[in-house]
Amino acid sequence: GAVVSQHPSWVICKSGTSVKIECRSLDFQATTMFWYRQFPKQSLMLMATSNEGSKATYEQGVEKDKFLINHASLTLSTLTVTSAHPEDSSFYICSASYQGADYGYTFGSGTRLTVV
Amino acid sequence: SQKIEQNSEALNIQEGKTATLTCNYTNYSPAYLQWYRQDPGRGPVFLLLIRENEKEKRKERLKVTFDTTLKQSLFHITASQPADSATYLCVLNTDKLIFGTGTRLQVFP
Repeated sequence: GAVVSQHPSWVICKSGTSVKIECRSLDFQATTMFWYRQFPKQSLMLMATSNEGSKATYEQGVEKDKFLINHASLTLSTLTVTSAHPEDSSFYICSASYQGADYGYTFGSGTRLTVV
Repeated sequence: SQKIEQNSEALNIQEGKTATLTCNYTNYSPAYLQWYRQDPGRGPVFLLLIRENEKEKRKERLKVTFDTTLKQSLFHITASQPADSATYLCVLNTDKLIFGTGTRLQVFP
């Protein structure tokens, strides 16, 4: 089955530093990947749609200069949280569709970011 | 805007019983609706998808219904097991995925 690998699974960083999260489709090509953020006891909220070879599409209210997305290949998308602050602490999850949206989405295992 | 309501309270049931989770949504009915399972500290795992022209969909011990008149989907787990304990998310497909907050299911022996 389709697998999306996400790394790291957790990271702690200091305020003001940047953190990169990787999302890889292991056994399929993903022209589109999605990045979500989930706060405790809340639903997943779409942050941006990552398109291979083009600029990402950000949801309203998400700062594109703060959350840099790069989708340089058909199997890799990265999310970089720049100048991180404690309020950026959250659970970040990526996903992709293997057979098309009609067949559900495959999610990565998530990255717990803690900014101190 | 489209909203999803899932029972935010935990559902506790005894092993072997059928668990029934409810998902209600507002506004227009999506072309299809999905259910996912999420364990603590993990990403969601796809379970079932049901289309608007389908009344019911089954997969092993899982059953999903979709009533576009009531704007409701029901998710059933028959012969529940402690391993079924998790949070179950109702997700609508519009131009993007809209997630409910989930219902936490606890199956005790």
